[in-house]
Formats: sequence, C-alpha cells, structure tokens
Amino acid sequence: GAVVSQHPSRVICKSGTSVKIECRSLDFQATTMFWYRQFPKKSLMLMATSNEGSKATYEQGVEKDKFLINHASLTLSTLTVTSAHPEDSSFYICSARGTSGMGEQFFGPGTRLTVL
Amino acid sequence: AQTVTQSQPEMSVQEAETVTLSCTYDTSESNYYLFWYKQPPSRQMILVIRQEAYKQQNATENRFSVNFQKAAKSFSLKISDSQLGDTAMYFCAFMKRQGGSEKLVFGKGTKLTVNP
Repeated sequence: GAVVSQHPSRVICKSGTSVKIECRSLDFQATTMFWYRQFPKKSLMLMATSNEGSKATYEQGVEKDKFLINHASLTLSTLTVTSAHPEDSSFYICSARGTSGMGEQFFGPGTRLTVL
Repeated sequence: AQTVTQSQPEMSVQEAETVTLSCTYDTSESNYYLFWYKQPPSRQMILVIRQEAYKQQNATENRFSVNFQKAAKSFSLKISDSQLGDTAMYFCAFMKRQGGSEKLVFGKGTKLTVNP
C-alpha cells in the first residue's frame, strides 16, 4: 500500500519550453501532496504544498508563476515548469500525505529534468 | 524554527554488523513526529521508521530501531545485521505543524555504505 507514482522519470527539454510532471497516489486518496527539489548530494527542499481543490502554498523564494501546481483530484497533482531554463535542471520529487494521522509522507520515484 | 542535524555525513559498516546513525533536532513543541527515510541509489525515498513524540517506547521495524531521547532531542537510528541493500542516504525528518499545514523538515543526510 501507499504507492506514489511520478511521470515522466526523465525529461529533456529546450530552454524556454514548459514541462509538466505528474504525481499520482495509486492506492490511497491524498488530500495533500508536496513537491520537493533535490540538488546533487543534497537534502530535499520543499517547494510547495498542494491541497486538493485549492491553491498551492509555496515556500519562500519559490516562484509561483514559474512552478505551477495543480491538484485537481484526490489522486493527482501536477507540477508545470514554465519557460524552463538550464538553472531549473534538477531532480523533482513529489510526495503524498498518508492517512494514518501521523503525517508521514510517501514519495514518488522522482523526475530528472534537464533543460538544454 | 525547527532544525534537524545529522552530524555524520558518511558512515560505513561491515555486512552483518550493527550501525547507529545520529540525529538531533530543535523544537519548542511538545507533540510532534519524527521519521527516518532511506534514499538508495535509485533515489526513491523510502520510509524506514516513525516515532510519535508522546510515546516513550522506541519504535522498531524488523532490523531497524530508534533510540528516542525526548529531553535530549535525540532520535538515532540503529540498523542491526546490516545488509548490502541498506547502502543508501539516510535522512532524519521532523514533522512540523504550523497554521493548519504540515511540513517535513529534513536533515542533510548520512551516506551509509555497507561493505561485504
């Protein structure tokens, strides 16, 4: 149980284009999902918290207009990197809040984004 | 602000032996949750173990156990009978609740290598 999928696993795009990453909770409903960014050999940095049916809450320093988050259903959240630039190249990981009440998060396998 | 400190950037252990990873945290809250996550080379974040602060009993999951010292704000992870598959980055995390939102605050991680 508590499986989270992420698609695509890898994406390469040209500078200036937009890229959409999907995060799905496969066997449970997730009212809250989270998006992280991880730089090489570093810890996870929370970008935003996504609540189903409402606007995402972004962390300080994260550009809302560049990283668009949509959480339209209880099993799907999407992150769109708009007008991507090489500095947006990174490993993006989503997670979904579990249902036990302890607040544990279950993570997707991540997406490697490379912007040329 | 809550912080999580992992003082051991890297550790190694021989297969079948026991290793302990340290974690300390700083908080003024009395009720909270603590987690250890594992990130193997595949980069999939996996929940290893969780602990509720109001429970004095240390959590155990098979070969993984914690030593939770609330007064000292310490949450170490013990891995018994280490296996090659335990080689990974290990992140300690604190669940922070603020204004109706929840966030995981991660330490910087400890890279564990299990040697044959």
